[in-house]
Amino acid sequence: DIQMTQSPSTLSASVGDRVTITCRASQSISDWLAWYQQKPGKAPKLLIYRASTLQSGVPSRFSGSGSGTEFTLTISSLQPDDFATYYCQQYNSYSTFGQGTRVEIK
Amino acid sequence: QITLKESGPTLVKPTETLTLTCTFSGFSLSSSEVAVGWIRQPPGKALEWLALIYWDGTGRYSPSLKNRLTITKDTAKNQLVLIMTDMDPVDTATYYCAHGLELWAFDYWGPGTPVTVSS
Repeated sequence: DIQMTQSPSTLSASVGDRVTITCRASQSISDWLAWYQQKPGKAPKLLIYRASTLQSGVPSRFSGSGSGTEFTLTISSLQPDDFATYYCQQYNSYSTFGQGTRVEIK
Repeated sequence: QITLKESGPTLVKPTETLTLTCTFSGFSLSSSEVAVGWIRQPPGKALEWLALIYWDGTGRYSPSLKNRLTITKDTAKNQLVLIMTDMDPVDTATYYCAHGLELWAFDYWGPGTPVTVSS
């Protein structure tokens, strides 16, 4: 099984901050990686797929990069609506989600 | 417009079998290169992928749960079914079905259905 490790687990930030979340795979997954945003009581929302492709309708302040085993999700200027939990997902070999990163208000 | 909705029992007893249905619209699960997956989330915990079915009926399962899972589709009814056997309290979670973008990245999700396993 491919394991996905996100860091940090929790991130405290302010509106306007640049935020970066890292996801590491236990083996190479090429660029078969997606990022999701989830708010309490809601289903996850797809933000990025194929490591760096922005899903339709997602604001351009979200971006993804990386390949192989190391990936990042960047929010260029954190907005009030962005406080949520973020998950990475590999789909190179079946699928595995990371443990999540909670972005909270500083 | 793609929509999905999960349905099933909210409470099951340990050792019982859980049957969940996902009813969808806006796409056909008989069209080539289409897939739908099941994902669950225990209270306060991370997402866990369970299973996925391709347009041709082929199922893929989480290695850790494959012995307990069966996924099937009914194209005429626009439904798919997930069966999980031998339920345990650790299986308490919200269960989601989701449409696969490029098959495995999930771009449309149902609202989720909560399942509690308790005697």
